[in-house]
Amino acid sequence: GAVVSQHPSWVICKSGTSVKIECRSLDFQATTMFWYRQFPKQSLMLMATSNEGSKATYEQGVEKDKFLINHASLTLSTLTVTSAHPEDSSFYICSARGGRGGYEQYFGPGTRLTVT
Amino acid sequence: GNSVTQMEGPVTLSEEAFLTINCTYTATGYPSLFWYVQYPGEGLQLLLKATKADDKGSNKGFEATYRKETTSFHLEKGSVQVSDSAVYFCALRPSGGYQKVTFGIGTKLQVIP
Repeated sequence: GAVVSQHPSWVICKSGTSVKIECRSLDFQATTMFWYRQFPKQSLMLMATSNEGSKATYEQGVEKDKFLINHASLTLSTLTVTSAHPEDSSFYICSARGGRGGYEQYFGPGTRLTVT
Repeated sequence: GNSVTQMEGPVTLSEEAFLTINCTYTATGYPSLFWYVQYPGEGLQLLLKATKADDKGSNKGFEATYRKETTSFHLEKGSVQVSDSAVYFCALRPSGGYQKVTFGIGTKLQVIP
């Protein structure tokens, strides 16, 4: 139980285009989802927290207009990187919390984004 | 604020060697403590956790004991295998309900045959 999936697992896009990453909780209802960014050889940086049906709360320094987060249902959250640039290349990981897991966060496998 | 400090890697060990990865934390009250493991190209998996002082978390031969007096949660394994090669993250979640998890920087472990 408590499986979180992400799609795609990797994506390459051209500079200036937008790319959408999906995060799904497969066997539980995720009342809260988190989006992290991981730079090479560094820890996870929390980008934003979203609760189902409400606007995401972004961490300081994260551009909300660039990283659009939607949490429209209890099993799906999306992160859209708009007008991507090479510096947006990174590993993006989502995490979900809810259901019987209580406070626990369950992590997705991550999405590798490369902007050329 | 809350923080997690763990030893910087990489840590290189021979197969069957003893492993210790140090982790200390700063937080008020009694946070829950975690170790996550990230295999190459994958997301994080929960390895073990402890929710109160003196608790010992264990999984797959790994152990860590919640030491309130030293604010530590060191990860140990008696005999590592090549398949244990990964990045290990120490993390904490403050007490008091739905709080955010704070991660350490991660320690890369490489086990050589």
